[in-house]
Amino acid sequence: GPKVLQIPSHQIIDMGQMVTLNCDPVSNHLYFYWYKQILGQQMEFLVNFYNGKVMEKSKLFKDQFSVERPDGSYFTLKIQPTALEDSAVYFCASSRTDNYAEQFFGPGTRLTVL
Amino acid sequence: GDSVTQKQGQVTLSEDDFLFINCTYSTTTYPTLLWYVQYPGQGPQLLLKVTTANNKGISRGFEATYDKGTTSFHLQKASVQESDSAVYFCAYDTNAYKVIFGKGTHLHVLP
Repeated sequence: GPKVLQIPSHQIIDMGQMVTLNCDPVSNHLYFYWYKQILGQQMEFLVNFYNGKVMEKSKLFKDQFSVERPDGSYFTLKIQPTALEDSAVYFCASSRTDNYAEQFFGPGTRLTVL
Repeated sequence: GDSVTQKQGQVTLSEDDFLFINCTYSTTTYPTLLWYVQYPGQGPQLLLKVTTANNKGISRGFEATYDKGTTSFHLQKASVQESDSAVYFCAYDTNAYKVIFGKGTHLHVLP
């Protein structure tokens, strides 16, 4: 089936550094999402993105977070600066415009902030 | 506000046992109800969805019925296999381009 790719699979950085998580969504999808998962538990919605703009963001989407998708490139989540509580697995997802409830998830990027 | 509740954090069964995972939701809208499954090291994948009250979603032997009266969307399977071991998330879409997930239920199926 359709696949979402995420790069890197793991990232270890020191607190205060900047990190960029990359997502390659399904090719004909136009809605993109980031979710955060801690300790294999609840998936928490962070943000959604369509037509170059953030549509909605949750309280977890702090001011230090930003997303973008320059034409033809990855959909990215940038955290600057990072904090210890940002350690988690971040999942990217994408969906079609006519079926946004069926979101396809990538394998996740495990971020460890030391 | 809108929410979805899964009370069972972990379920342990033996192969061929009957599976029942409880899910209730609270929302002021008429959502699409979803079950996602997450295998170790992977992202969640959609297992089944139902868009209309009283309808049943069926996939890979799993089924769930959208009960608007009890606001429930329980997941069932008649006979589980070891390969069904995973985390199961009840979820719904908010008609606002995001999916709200429950806390997840870890299913362990013993051989």
